[in-house]
Amino acid sequence: DAGVIQSPRHEVTEMGQEVTLRCKPISGHDYLFWYRQTMMRGLELLIYFNNNVPIDDSGMPEDRFSAKMPNASFSTLKIQPSEPRDSAVYFCASRRDRGTSGDTGELFFGEGSRLTVL
Amino acid sequence: AQTVTQSQPEMSVQEAETVTLSCTYDTSESDYYLFWYKQPPSRQMILVIRQEAYKQQNATENRFSVNFQKAAKSFSLKISDSQLGDAAMYFCAYRAANFGNEKLTFGTGTRLTIIP
Repeated sequence: DAGVIQSPRHEVTEMGQEVTLRCKPISGHDYLFWYRQTMMRGLELLIYFNNNVPIDDSGMPEDRFSAKMPNASFSTLKIQPSEPRDSAVYFCASRRDRGTSGDTGELFFGEGSRLTVL
Repeated sequence: AQTVTQSQPEMSVQEAETVTLSCTYDTSESDYYLFWYKQPPSRQMILVIRQEAYKQQNATENRFSVNFQKAAKSFSLKISDSQLGDAAMYFCAYRAANFGNEKLTFGTGTRLTIIP
């Protein structure tokens, strides 16, 4: 089975530009999470969706960040305008709903998108 | 709020030896899940082992085992017969078991180096 697929793998942009990160979760997974990883703050949960609906976006740092999940197989994380402090690795992860067949509680991660804002 | 603490930023071990990575957590919940994830240089987070709090038996996956001490809120990872491929960042993580609490909280990680 294909894992969580993220694109782009690397993105270098200039301050003020719009950045869009993409994620395709594992088919059949009901939850989708966006995490950000930096040296200073470690792994931080930004937002998560259940059945395409945003449930908790309290980790989204500012209004410059937005996330959407238009369908069960696609999600985007957008930063507009981007700033140098947004430089980080952004992970998308997915898992099954609790109690469903095959649920182990494991969160499956993509390979991450490394964002550099100059 | 739940917190996860990994007090060892870096560890090193001789190849074929055994190493233990420490993790403590703070929670008021009685039922929860604990995980160890590995992040190699390729960056992808990979599950190493998981433990359900209501199970007293320590989880084991081949060379990886945990020492789960619920009362002490401790969840250490033991890697036996260390191999070069074990070199990575290791993250301890916690998730409450009650519905509606879906967040996986990570520790700050331990960088493990394997000495040939």
